[in-house]
Amino acid sequence: GAVVSQHPSRVICKSGTSVKIECRSLDFQATTMFWYRQFPKKSLMLMATSNEGSKATYEQGVEKDKFLINHASLTLSTLTVTSAHPEDSSFYICSALAPGYNEQFFGPGTRLTVL
Amino acid sequence: AQTVTQSQPEMSVQEAETVTLSCTYDTSESDYYLFWYKQPPSRQMILVIRQEAYKQQNATENRFSVNFQKAAKSFSLKISDSQLGDAAMYFCAPLTGGTSYGKLTFGQGTILTVHP
Repeated sequence: GAVVSQHPSRVICKSGTSVKIECRSLDFQATTMFWYRQFPKKSLMLMATSNEGSKATYEQGVEKDKFLINHASLTLSTLTVTSAHPEDSSFYICSALAPGYNEQFFGPGTRLTVL
Repeated sequence: AQTVTQSQPEMSVQEAETVTLSCTYDTSESDYYLFWYKQPPSRQMILVIRQEAYKQQNATENRFSVNFQKAAKSFSLKISDSQLGDAAMYFCAPLTGGTSYGKLTFGQGTILTVHP
């Protein structure tokens, strides 16, 4: 149990386009999901906390208009990178907080490359 | 704000030997959880072991065990009988509650190399 999926696993896009990444909890309902960004051989940096039915809470320094987060249901959160540029190229990981587990379950990540 | 320090950017160990990864953290909360995650080259985050802060007994999970010193805010991971598959990047992360319930704060990570 407690499986989290992410789609797509890899995406390559042109500069200026928008990219949507989906994060789904497959066998549990997640009222809270998290989005992280990770550079090679570096730690995970929390970008935002996504709560179902309400606006996401962004960490300091993260542009909310650049990284749009929507948590429309208890099993799906999406991250849209708008007007992507090469500096947005990174590995994006989502996680979901399972009620009663006091633990986050992680998706497999999405590698974004902006040309 | 929580801070987590992993002072060993890289560690290496011989297969079948024991290695200890260090972690210190800072939190003002009294009730929290502590985790060690492993991230292999696939980059999937894998839970290695968890510790509830209210428990004095150190958690163990097969070859993995922790040395949890709450007063010192120290949470080290010991890997016994190291295997080639243990090679990965390891992250220490407290999970705190309060106004940011369920939020993880990650350390910088330690890259573990296992030599055959």
